[in-house]
Amino acid sequence: NAGVMQNPRHLVRRRGQEARLRCSPMKGHSHVYWYRQLPEEGLKFMVYLQKENIIDESGMPKERFSAEFPKEGPSILRIQQVVRGDSAAYFCASSPPGRQGYEQYFGPGTRLTVT
Amino acid sequence: QKEVEQNSGPLSVPEGAIASLNCTYSDRGSQSFFWYRQYSGKSPELIMSIYSNGDKEDGRFTAQLNKASQYVSLLIRDSQPSDSATYLCAVNTNAGKSTFGDGTTLTVKP
Repeated sequence: NAGVMQNPRHLVRRRGQEARLRCSPMKGHSHVYWYRQLPEEGLKFMVYLQKENIIDESGMPKERFSAEFPKEGPSILRIQQVVRGDSAAYFCASSPPGRQGYEQYFGPGTRLTVT
Repeated sequence: QKEVEQNSGPLSVPEGAIASLNCTYSDRGSQSFFWYRQYSGKSPELIMSIYSNGDKEDGRFTAQLNKASQYVSLLIRDSQPSDSATYLCAVNTNAGKSTFGDGTTLTVKP
């Protein structure tokens, strides 16, 4: 049973470019969460999605960031016009349906570097 | 006041000792509590979950929850050097979103 998959594992972008991060949840999981972790800091919640729905985006910056979880395919976190401050590790987690507040299982993360 | 607070650390214990990690939370409506272990450069790994008051044991790990005091802890018995990592406390109100503490870094010295 494959775990949560994220790609790419490392992404380098120049300032002003777009970054697209992908996350495939564990089989049978329908809840996806995105977190950001700056070096030497804790995990910060960004967004919680279910298929075709954004449930909670209270942690998302108001501009340049968007997320989706389409009916088919992986969840996508999109960062437009990246700046150096966006350099961080972005983790996706998933949990099974039917129980909010259930355990979350994390993918390996995408390390974004903005040059 | 942060929603989830952990010992600032770092915490250092000798091999074989008991490591005690503490966490307090501010939302009395919290229902689910988790401990994650994160090795440097890796993603968080779930090691314990607890939902009701009292103790929950799993091997060398014991989670303790006291909802009245809004306090959750993790004890690691017979600590090993491989336990050296950052431990994250996470709290969930069953609204989907988990709030994480900043973590406590544990070093187990041989």
